[in-house]
Amino acid sequence: DAGVTQSPTHLIKTRGQQVTLRCSPISGHKSVSWYQQVLGQGPQFIFQYYEKEERGRGNFPDRFSARQFPNYSSELNVNALLLGDSALYLCASSFSGGQGYEQYFGPGTRLTVT
Amino acid sequence: QKEVEQNSGPLSVPEGAIASLNCTYSDRGSQSFFWYRQYSGKSPELIMFIYSNGDKEDGRFTAQLNKASQYVSLLIRDSQPSDSATYLCAVKRGYQKVTFGTGTKLQVIP
Repeated sequence: DAGVTQSPTHLIKTRGQQVTLRCSPISGHKSVSWYQQVLGQGPQFIFQYYEKEERGRGNFPDRFSARQFPNYSSELNVNALLLGDSALYLCASSFSGGQGYEQYFGPGTRLTVT
Repeated sequence: QKEVEQNSGPLSVPEGAIASLNCTYSDRGSQSFFWYRQYSGKSPELIMFIYSNGDKEDGRFTAQLNKASQYVSLLIRDSQPSDSATYLCAVKRGYQKVTFGTGTKLQVIP
């Protein structure tokens, strides 16, 4: 079975631009979460979606937004990019957003803001 | 106090030895506990999860959970150079977010 897929793999943007990252979960998984990981740190939670509804939001500015589609795929949008947004963006899927369901990560999108 | 704390390392062990990785967490209501392995430049890979107090074994890996002490550990037996990576501890409470530690870098010396 295919794992979590993300696109694009790498992305270079300039400050002030907008970016959209995409994620397809493992087949049968209904929950998608987004994380930001900077070098030397653990992943930081951005959003969780379950059954197309936002179930959680981390401590990120309103420039970050996301949505989940009827096929459970998801997009993360970041507006007005800052240099500090440069990071590895990870998508993780799980069957459910609740207790007892483990998350599996995709390969990530490496975003560089210049 | 950080929500999930790990020693950043590096933890160096000789090939064939047991590597012991530790993690403490602050939320007593945490219910799910995960260990991820992350190679440099790659995404985290789930290697163990544990939900109940005690030990859980899977091949060379053993996860240990002590909720009273708010402590979770990962033992890697017969460590191999290919085990050299950063190991991330993560905890979850109910439907809430998964919180990660900063990771422990493990170096297995041939």
